[in-house]
Amino acid sequence: AQSVSQHNHHVILSEAASLELGCNYSYGGTVNLFWYVQYPGQHLQLLLKYFSGDPLVKGIKGFEAEFIKSKFSFNLRKPSVQWSDTAEYFCAVKNAGGYNKLIFGAGTRLAVHP
Amino acid sequence: DTAVSQTPKYLVTQMGNDKSIKCEQNLGHDTMYWYKQDSKKFLKIMFSYNNKELIINETVPNRFSPKSPDKAHLNLHINSLELGDSAVYFCASSQTSGGHTGELFFGEGSRLTVL
Repeated sequence: AQSVSQHNHHVILSEAASLELGCNYSYGGTVNLFWYVQYPGQHLQLLLKYFSGDPLVKGIKGFEAEFIKSKFSFNLRKPSVQWSDTAEYFCAVKNAGGYNKLIFGAGTRLAVHP
Repeated sequence: DTAVSQTPKYLVTQMGNDKSIKCEQNLGHDTMYWYKQDSKKFLKIMFSYNNKELIINETVPNRFSPKSPDKAHLNLHINSLELGDSAVYFCASSQTSGGHTGELFFGEGSRLTVL
């Protein structure tokens, strides 16, 4: 069965620090990968996604993620975080074929201090 | 216009009661979902409907019964509510046919508290 592991449960950074959130998945076939963000009290919004092509994908708000197939990883990065990036971040994976069943990681809570 | 809307946003009820949460999407998508987010923020898929047909049914108690009257609506009815049902329930939709990427669009969530 597919699973997603996010190693950092809680990250605390100061503004302007660089961010990297880890995401590893387990599935042997072709996958589609996503990062979603949930701001306090709000619904999930898509930050970026990878389906094929360039393994370095750029999303909204200056976020990017790199798909490394050999490491089954899809880490999220941002060179300089802002206080407004405080949120919960979820990595998700789905089998590229079959039903559109997204499996989510447990989430990483990011707190950015001014 | 809200793309995926759920009602109610908050629901507080006693154990043993029956309650429903409604979801509507105006994106013209062909697939809708219910996800449950527990107190630790863990998101787990419960059900998915494609054009009113149930296609994903995870290990969910029989007390949970989804209903899709048309492809724009997916309601969730819960019988005999238990304390462990307390969670935020998110509805989502996506377009999965016609070469679309299947990106999920989420509603704002319905926070259910069972006392």
